[in-house]
Amino acid sequence: AQSVTQLDSHVSVSEGTPVLLRCNYSSSYSPSLFWYVQHPNKGLQLLLKYTSAATLVKGINGFEAEFKKSETSFHLTKPSAHMSDAAEYFCVVTLGSGNTGKLIFGQGTTLQVKP
Amino acid sequence: KAGVTQTPRYLIKTRGQQVTLSCSPISGHRSVSWYQQTPGQGLQFLFEYFSETQRNKGNFPGRFSGRQFSNSRSEMNVSTLELGDSALYLCASSLAGGAYEVQYFGAGTRLSVL
Repeated sequence: AQSVTQLDSHVSVSEGTPVLLRCNYSSSYSPSLFWYVQHPNKGLQLLLKYTSAATLVKGINGFEAEFKKSETSFHLTKPSAHMSDAAEYFCVVTLGSGNTGKLIFGQGTTLQVKP
Repeated sequence: KAGVTQTPRYLIKTRGQQVTLSCSPISGHRSVSWYQQTPGQGLQFLFEYFSETQRNKGNFPGRFSGRQFSNSRSEMNVSTLELGDSALYLCASSLAGGAYEVQYFGAGTRLSVL
C-alpha cells in the first residue's frame, strides 16, 4: 500500500541558510508525488509535482525536490530560506489508477525560519 | 480564474447538531475531494465526487456524507456532531481526479463542536 513518511516533524533554520525537508515514500506503483505548503489559517498550495519526466523537479519560490527511486525518497530543498517560508509542508503520494481523487499525506513538517 | 471557494469559513455547532459545508470548484473541474485536518490525525481523505457520483470513500462513519451538483459544486454534511468532529475541512478540485493530476485546495471551513 502507498504511504509517505516525513522524517522530521519540526525543522528550524536561520534566514539565508539552506532548507532540507525529508520525505520517504512507499508505493507499489510508479508513484505520483507532490509537496504542498500550508500557511497558518490557509489552504494548501502546491509547491511542486513529480511526474516521472525528470527526477529533479523545480517548484515555486525557489524550492526543488529530487526523486530517488533507489532510496524511495523525495526530499524538498531550497538554497536560501526566507522568513516567508515559515509554514507547514506536506509530502503527498497518490494511489494508482482506480483510486480517484485520493491523496495520501505525510504528517507534515513545520518549518521555522529564524531571523 | 477563480480558485476553490469554501463556505462558510468558520462554524460553531453543538453536539448532536448537523452541519453542511459547501465547496465551489475551479471552473471546468469536475472532481471534488474532501479532507479532514486535525492535529492528531493530520489530513485524511473523506470522499471524492465526479459527475455527481461518489467514486471513492475514506474510512469515516456514515455520519459523513456528501453530494455533488450538476455544476460540480459539492456539499458535505455531518450529522449528529461529536466533539471529535472539530477540524478544518478542506475541499480540493481537479479536472478529473486522476492520480497524476494536481488538486487545488480551498481555504477550508473550520468547524468547532462544543
